[in-house]
This record gives sequence, C-alpha cells and structure tokens, in this order.
Amino acid sequence: QKEVEQNSGPLSVPEGAIASLNCTYSDRVSQSFFWYRQYSGKSPELIMSIYSNGDKEDGRFTAQLNKASQYVSLLIRDSQPSDSATYLCAVNFGNEKLTFGTGTRLTIIP
Amino acid sequence: EAEVAQSPRYKITEKSQAVAFWCDPISGHATLYWYRQILGQGPELLVQFQDESVVDDSQLPKDRFSAERLKGVDSTLKIQPAELGDSAMYLCASSLSWTEIINEQFFGPGTRLTVL
Repeated sequence: QKEVEQNSGPLSVPEGAIASLNCTYSDRVSQSFFWYRQYSGKSPELIMSIYSNGDKEDGRFTAQLNKASQYVSLLIRDSQPSDSATYLCAVNFGNEKLTFGTGTRLTIIP
Repeated sequence: EAEVAQSPRYKITEKSQAVAFWCDPISGHATLYWYRQILGQGPELLVQFQDESVVDDSQLPKDRFSAERLKGVDSTLKIQPAELGDSAMYLCASSLSWTEIINEQFFGPGTRLTVL
C-alpha cells in the first residue's frame, strides 16, 4: 500500500525563524510531490509542486526532494504568524491520483 | 482569479435523507476530483473524472454515493441515504489534465456536511 507519512505536530516555531516540515513516502516509483496549506475549517491551498531531485524555491518557501531517501521537505523562511496552519504533503505515485499525508500542524509564536 | 466553485458551503441533514453537492471547476480544466476529508486526516479521493468519463471511482461507496459530470464541466455528488459516518468536509478539485507530468490540483472551498 502506498503511504505518505508526516509528523502530526504540533510544531512550534518562533516568528522570523525557519520552519522545517518533513514528509516520507513508501514507493520509489513516485512522480510528483505537492505541499498544501490548510487553515482551520478551510480547504487546502497549493503552495509548491516538485518532481526533480533538489531544491525548488518560491518566495519564502523552498521544497526539497530526495528520491533516493524517499523524502520531501518544505522550508518556510522568516516565518510569520499567518503561516500558522496545517501543511499537507501529497504524492503522485504514478497512478495519476494524489495520496495525502495526515498533515503537520504548524504554530508560529510571535 | 479562476477558482473552483462549490455549493452549498454547509449542509446539515438527518440520517437516511438524501444530500447533493455541486462543483464547477476552473474553466478549461478537464479533470475533476471529489475528495472526502475527515477531521484530522488528509483528503481521500472518492471519484475522478476526465471530461465526462470516470477515471477512478474505486473508493466511492457505490451503494449510497453517486457522481456525475454529464457535460464534462460541472459535477454533482449525491449521497442517499446519508449515514452518521458521512459527516465530513467534501472537497472538489480540478486540474488541467491528469496526464500532465505535474498534475497540479486546485481545491474549491468545500462543503461541510453534518449528519444528525
């Protein structure tokens, strides 16, 4: 069974610091990876997508992919209170549908 | 800005009643998805459409759930009869095409269903 694992948290980070969120997945034959942000009671919002090994940067967000070790991470630089949310990792295992992790709850402390 | 539209935003119903949810994807998006998200968990795919055809409905409880996308644009998800365990957020998402290398999916605001 194809699985996506995330630490449920909560992860607490001081304002202005770097928040690091991690995700591991079960199948080496995985094509693409996504990070979604979900505020309480709201729907998921796409932040980043990545499919090549290495880093991909977009503003304060950096996605890191290591297919050999089967993990993908999201770094948030200069964390702001508005970054407090649940972050969902999603993986396309090559069957064209996304499998989501249970999410990591992030709290930015002012 | 292009968005996925869903209605209603909230629905309260009694068990054994029928409920229906509507979704209008981003214009030009051929692939439409219905997900169910239980509190504290990630979204789980119920059904996936490419245009008007079902690509995957393996996780759809077909004894009580049905979905259609008759003209390949908007879609309806129905539950009949609703059960207490169906209380969840029902999310619709769309993407350009599931055959894209990076198939970015964009979610609508969701429908929060409460079954009493």
